[in-house]
Amino acid sequence: KAGVTQTPRYLIKTRGQQVTLSCSPISGHRSVSWYQQTPGQGLQFLFEYFSETQRNKGNFPGRFSGRQFSNSRSEMNVSTLELGDSALYLCASSPGLATYNEQFFGPGTRLTVL
Amino acid sequence: DAKTTQPPSMDCAEGRAANLPCNHSTISGNEYVYWYRQIHSQGPQYIIHGLKNNETNEMASLIITEDRKSSTLILPHATLRDTAVYYCIVRGGSARQLTFGSGTQLTVLP
Repeated sequence: KAGVTQTPRYLIKTRGQQVTLSCSPISGHRSVSWYQQTPGQGLQFLFEYFSETQRNKGNFPGRFSGRQFSNSRSEMNVSTLELGDSALYLCASSPGLATYNEQFFGPGTRLTVL
Repeated sequence: DAKTTQPPSMDCAEGRAANLPCNHSTISGNEYVYWYRQIHSQGPQYIIHGLKNNETNEMASLIITEDRKSSTLILPHATLRDTAVYYCIVRGGSARQLTFGSGTQLTVLP
């Protein structure tokens, strides 16, 4: 099976812009979770989608949003980018709800905000 | 989620067993112990998880103490490619996501 894929792998944006990141889960997996990783804060949970519905949300401002499509692919959007949004954004898929299953991570999208 | 405590760094000689400890003294009865690792600039990789019995798979063994307050991840024959940050995570019950701590930086030395 192909692993979790994320596009793009690298992205450079400027403050105030918005960005959309994409994640394709492992075939047959229905849950997609998103994480932000920075040197200062480590890996932090953003949100989880299952069957096109957001099931869980971390402690991030409303500028961070996401959605999931009927084929389980997911996108996350960050609006009004700030310098502090520079990070590695990781998505992880699991067969069912992440609560009850191990998660398989993609390679990440490295976002740089200038 | 119960908090976990791991040493910040460890070294291991190539070919020897790497034993990575984790303390989770506040773990509750329905919480599992998960281990992930992250090689520099890659996404975390699932290794193994367990509830109370010891577990083994092709990558590693997980030894959980009888009182479940601590566990050890064992990589039986460490290679240079096992150099990574290893995260011990306790999760279950109402906890819906993985909460990563600082992990242990394992360096396998030639």
